[in-house]
Amino acid sequence: GNSVTQMEGPVTLSEEAFLTINCTYTATGYPSLFWYVQYPGEGLQLLLKATKADDKGSNKGFEATYRKETTSFHLEKGSVQVSDSAVYFCALSGRNGQNFVFGPGTRLSVLP
Amino acid sequence: GAVVSQHPSRVICKSGTSVKIECRSLDFQATTMFWYRQFPKQSLMLMATSNEGSKATYEQGVEKDKFLINHASLTLSTLTVTSAHPEDSSFYICSARLGQTNTEAFFGQGTRLTVV
Repeated sequence: GNSVTQMEGPVTLSEEAFLTINCTYTATGYPSLFWYVQYPGEGLQLLLKATKADDKGSNKGFEATYRKETTSFHLEKGSVQVSDSAVYFCALSGRNGQNFVFGPGTRLSVLP
Repeated sequence: GAVVSQHPSRVICKSGTSVKIECRSLDFQATTMFWYRQFPKQSLMLMATSNEGSKATYEQGVEKDKFLINHASLTLSTLTVTSAHPEDSSFYICSARLGQTNTEAFFGQGTRLTVV
């Protein structure tokens, strides 16, 4: 079945540091890929998405590129802020109406 | 984007009582909604898929009689935790999708349930 693997957290960075959170997936066919962010005590918000190979999703300075050859969708940001502290979930959605499959989440803490 | 509203955001109840959580799609019709449970510092666990006008599909290990799901309209699904116990304390999140395939999911803000 489909699955998503994320790098283990927590990740602690200083403000303005470069961020990478690795995400790889296993899926049949051509899934869509997503990054969701969850701030403390809140639900999930869509951060960015990509629906086909080589697409780049971007939002709020975050980027991720759909790499079919490496089955990856790594999240990057050039300069993190304290307000980026949250839990980040990588997810995929299959083409045949399958539900979302989430990765375990990576907790990011950004220190001033 | 589409908005999913979940209510209440927090609830505290006594052991043995039942709690109802509502999930509404505010500006779109959702044929299918999903209910998740999230334990502290863990990922989301799908509990059930709620289909409008029909019975919900529960994931393996989820008690149907304990977690009652009703999806009576295209904009409302409810999850009722019956005879709640402290081990049911958790963060419950619903989501809905605009389409059937490859589309993003929109999430409610979650409900923090504490059973005392």
